[in-house]
Amino acid sequence: DGGITQSPKYLFRKEGQNVTLSCEQNLNHDAMYWYRQDPGQGLRLIYYSQIVNDFQKGDIAEGYSVSREKKESFPLTVTSAQKNPTAFYLCASNPDRDVGEQFFGPGTRLTVL
Amino acid sequence: DQQVKQNSPSLSVQEGRISILNCDYTNSMFDYFLWYKKYPAEGPTFLISISSIKDKNEDGRFTVFLNKSAKHLSLHIVPSQPGDSAVYFCAASAKYSNSGYALNFGKGTSLLVTP
Repeated sequence: DGGITQSPKYLFRKEGQNVTLSCEQNLNHDAMYWYRQDPGQGLRLIYYSQIVNDFQKGDIAEGYSVSREKKESFPLTVTSAQKNPTAFYLCASNPDRDVGEQFFGPGTRLTVL
Repeated sequence: DQQVKQNSPSLSVQEGRISILNCDYTNSMFDYFLWYKKYPAEGPTFLISISSIKDKNEDGRFTVFLNKSAKHLSLHIVPSQPGDSAVYFCAASAKYSNSGYALNFGKGTSLLVTP
């Protein structure tokens, strides 16, 4: 079954700790994206990558970092510099470096204690 | 600055009737529009899309209408079913932008279809 997996589903961290959220896709898609959703809000773009070894900041990149060493993987690190990290994080991909439908993973709920 | 706006946070419709969800956008560079359906604590699932060269796209019970001059699109669901109850997000992207082909999302409209 092709798709996007995100792990873990729920994640708790103490304030001041870095944490890495996993995103893996076996769809052979070039482009991958990270979004954040807060209650009552739409999804906001954190980072995106259109090709391996290249990534760009989105609208709310401060306090986050990413890597794209492999086509199928796009992990997101939430650093201690992120002021309000508690949110629902969604990873997405699309097949072409072009406008079109994006496929989403199931999401990770991060809670900072 | 919100470039995609869904001004109705919620909508309640009776089963069998039409649901109309509205979306406005401000960026004239947007040329591709999508609707996603989302349940709590899950990822959005794609419903239907429309390119700016069209004014209507239909897929089964779902039809999206685009009015470029008004920068407005709408999603019609006919007939509405209880299983359609979810949050619906409008999204837009631009072929030529400084954010790759990332989607710009509205805040969503929560649809409740009552029996």
